[in-house]
Amino acid sequence: AQTVTQSQPEMSVQEAETVTLSCTYDTSESDYYLFWYKQPPSRQMILVIRQEAYKQQNATENRFSVNFQKAAKSFSLKISDSQLGDAAMYFCAYRSDSGTYKYIFGTGTRLKVLA
Amino acid sequence: DSGVTQTPKHLITATGQRVTLRCSPRSGDLSVYWYQQSLDQGLQFLIQYYNGEERAKGNILERFSAQQFPDLHSELNLSSLELGDSALYFCASSARVSGNTIYFGEGSWLTVV
Repeated sequence: AQTVTQSQPEMSVQEAETVTLSCTYDTSESDYYLFWYKQPPSRQMILVIRQEAYKQQNATENRFSVNFQKAAKSFSLKISDSQLGDAAMYFCAYRSDSGTYKYIFGTGTRLKVLA
Repeated sequence: DSGVTQTPKHLITATGQRVTLRCSPRSGDLSVYWYQQSLDQGLQFLIQYYNGEERAKGNILERFSAQQFPDLHSELNLSSLELGDSALYFCASSARVSGNTIYFGEGSWLTVV
């Protein structure tokens, strides 16, 4: 069974600095998708970025980028120029491209942004 | 606004009672997912429906059931409620059973007292 691990329960970053959140996953499949979701205090789940496993190029969305290492099964999120509004819980998620297609989430990393 | 609508937003009920949570997916989305998030916990997958049929089942208790109707809206029924069922229940939808991205509703807060 697939698993997603986020080993950092909490991280802090100074405003305008860069922070990297870690995520590792375990799977025997070759085709899958990886996601980072943000959950601010409002508890809304917001998609931050998506990565297709078949793509070697790392996904980027404005200040958010990922470092996808398929062989190492690692999928980290880098937030550049951190802003106060980035403070939230961040969840890494895995979705198989076969079978049930269900999404599996990590336990989350709480990011604090210090002014 | 993700386009996924969940009602009610908040619900307080007593132990032993039954409640129904409702979800309307984004327009055109055929697949609906239900997740449970207890306080300061991750998201636990409960169940997935696609075009009215159950596609995948996760850690859903026997006291819980769900269905997806012909108009594609879905309901999650929770019965014989216990204090531990207090949680935020999310509905999410995607275009297809293999939808690449799921979009979440704002969730339904359930408090069991």
